[in-house]
Amino acid sequence: DGGITQSPKYLFRKEGQNVTLSCEQNLNHDAMYWYRQDPGQGLRLIYYSQIVNDFQKGDIAEGYSVSREKKESFPLTVTSAQKNPTAFYLCASSNLGWSYNEQFFGPGTRLTVL
Amino acid sequence: AQSVSQHNHHVILSEAASLELGCNYSYGGTVNLFWYVQYPGQHLQLLLKYFSGDPLVKGIKGFEAEFIKSKFSFNLRKPSVQWSDTAEYFCAVGGFKTIFGAGTRLFVKA
Repeated sequence: DGGITQSPKYLFRKEGQNVTLSCEQNLNHDAMYWYRQDPGQGLRLIYYSQIVNDFQKGDIAEGYSVSREKKESFPLTVTSAQKNPTAFYLCASSNLGWSYNEQFFGPGTRLTVL
Repeated sequence: AQSVSQHNHHVILSEAASLELGCNYSYGGTVNLFWYVQYPGQHLQLLLKYFSGDPLVKGIKGFEAEFIKSKFSFNLRKPSVQWSDTAEYFCAVGGFKTIFGAGTRLFVKA
């Protein structure tokens, strides 16, 4: 089955700790994205990558970091610098040309900072 | 700047009622328009999309949307909703990049 997997589904972290969220896709898509979903705010773009070893900041990149060492993987690290990290995080991928191509989403990771 | 506005944050309907969810966007260039849906416990998925041609677009599960360029709108409609349409609906606009609206939570009473 082609798709996007995210792990873990639920994640708890203590304040001051960094945590990495996994995202893997087997759709052979070049572009991958990380969004943060908060109630009433929709999806806000954190980072995106259109090619291996390259990525760009989205609208709310502060306190987050990413890497894109492989086409199929795009992990997101939530650092201790992120002031309000408790949220639902969604990973997505698409063919190149993200303004007109459908994005395919993973199941999400719910991060709670204790 | 590119932006998307969904006017209804929460909508409650009875089964068989008609549905219209509003979506307006702001962007000066050519746009591509999407509606995504997130059913409870499921992945966000594409409902329908508009790129060009007939401004009335039909999607899955009986949904349709109409692009009205003069009003910068792309409203989602369904003539008769079912309990299974309970979900969160997101409008998205692709211009320079794709931007998502804040979402509308629809609850359909059986």
